[in-house]
Amino acid sequence: DAKTTQPTSMDCAEGRAANLPCNHSTISGNEYVYWYRQIHSQGPQYIIHGLKNNETNEMASLIITEDRKSSTLILPHATLRDTAVYYCIVKALENTGNQFYFGTGTSLTVIP
Amino acid sequence: DAGVIQSPRHEVTEMGQEVTLRCKPISGHNSLFWYRQTMMRGLELLIYFNNNVPIDDSGMPEDRFSAKMPNASFSTLKIQPSEPRDSAVYFCASSNRDNRQPQHFGDGTRLSIL
Repeated sequence: DAKTTQPTSMDCAEGRAANLPCNHSTISGNEYVYWYRQIHSQGPQYIIHGLKNNETNEMASLIITEDRKSSTLILPHATLRDTAVYYCIVKALENTGNQFYFGTGTSLTVIP
Repeated sequence: DAGVIQSPRHEVTEMGQEVTLRCKPISGHNSLFWYRQTMMRGLELLIYFNNNVPIDDSGMPEDRFSAKMPNASFSTLKIQPSEPRDSAVYFCASSNRDNRQPQHFGDGTRLSIL
């Protein structure tokens, strides 16, 4: 699976949009982009995933560039409860299994 | 719906003792994963099962660790004998075997070996 690169940390003002970038320049055509987050003392929580098209759900939006070499997770109106470590993962469907490889992620702090 | 349930939430024991961590996956999920998280190494996959069968245990650190899944609704991770370096948070996750489906994690077991 392709490696990902994320900033170590970011701050965002409460109520503003949080834009979390992820580089995955070696992504293959069959690899999806997944985002998870981990709030302190809890297990990782699935947020969203996509292949080529932009995706939106009740938690966030995922913007994938046309060349698929990078993506951005957008939390439209960040709240204090969005403070967490956010993981960007790319994974191929053809892997033997369903394992995800978590990197170090981005530690997002939402500031009042 | 109930999520992935892990027990105990916290475990403190002395080195050399046997430790058993338990996991109940989400009903209907047929893949189950055990992870370990430490500050030094982050989140690491230890082993995963498909349809109760262990598929890849290459992440299991050594023979002191063993995992079983006797049925679709229960799994255990056992450490015998335990050592201080096993101290970590252990997470269980489950998903449908469709590789596009996300994994759903439990809240973990925080293990401290004295």
